[in-house]
Amino acid sequence: DTEVTQTPKHLVMGMTNKKSLKCEQHMGHRAMYWYKQKAKKPPELMFVYSYEKLSINESVPSRFSPECPNSSLLNLHLHALQPEDSALYLCASSQGQGDPYEQYFGPGTRLTVT
Amino acid sequence: AQSVAQPEDQVNVAEGNPLTVKCTYSVSGNPYLFWYVQYPNRGLQFLLKYITGDNLVKGSYGFEAEFNKSQTSFHLKKPSALVSDSALYFCAVRDMTNAGNMLTFGGGTRLMVKP
Repeated sequence: DTEVTQTPKHLVMGMTNKKSLKCEQHMGHRAMYWYKQKAKKPPELMFVYSYEKLSINESVPSRFSPECPNSSLLNLHLHALQPEDSALYLCASSQGQGDPYEQYFGPGTRLTVT
Repeated sequence: AQSVAQPEDQVNVAEGNPLTVKCTYSVSGNPYLFWYVQYPNRGLQFLLKYITGDNLVKGSYGFEAEFNKSQTSFHLKKPSALVSDSALYFCAVRDMTNAGNMLTFGGGTRLMVKP
C-alpha cells in the first residue's frame, strides 16, 4: 500500500472557525510532512515530523498547529485563518528524514477561507 | 543553499513525439534529484530520482532523466509522448548535506501533449 490519504477533500471555513485536516499513511513511514500549494505554484514546506516529533517548522504562523498523534497520523489544526491561506494543503510521508527517500503525497485538501 | 530552475512554463508536444522537460539545479554539495508529476486537483506523484551511480535514471510510465553534473542539469525525457502525460511536472533537489530531507521544488512545467 503506497497510499497517503487526506480528509476532507474540500473545506470551506470562515475566519473565526476552527477546523482540522487529517492525513494517514500505513506504509510504516517515520517522516511526515505538511505542504501548502497555491495554484500553479510549487509546494511550500510547512512542517516536518520525524518519529512523531516536530523537527522542522518553516516559520509558519501560529494559526496553523500541527499534531502527530501516532506514526500513521498527522493533523493540521486551523484557527483564525485569513483569506490568503486558501490553498491546496498536501500531506506527504517518507521512510525517514535523513536519507534521500522519495516522498509520497496525498491528494490534498482544498481549503477556502471566506 | 539549494535551488532549482525549470526554464519553461509550458512544453507542447505532439502525441508520439519525444518530449523533454528541462531542469537545472544549484547546490553547495552533491545533489539528490527528483521528478514529480501532478495531475489536476491531485497530489504529486513520484516519477524517479537520482542519488548516485548511473547518470541515466529510469522511472515510472516510461519516463527517464539524465543527470549531467557539468551542466548541473536533470532533464526529464520520454521517447514517445502520450496525451495522458499532459500534467504539471516538478523537478526537486536536495543537497546531500541537508539532513532534513527538505526538498526545494522548481516552479513547475506544464506539459501539453496534443493528439
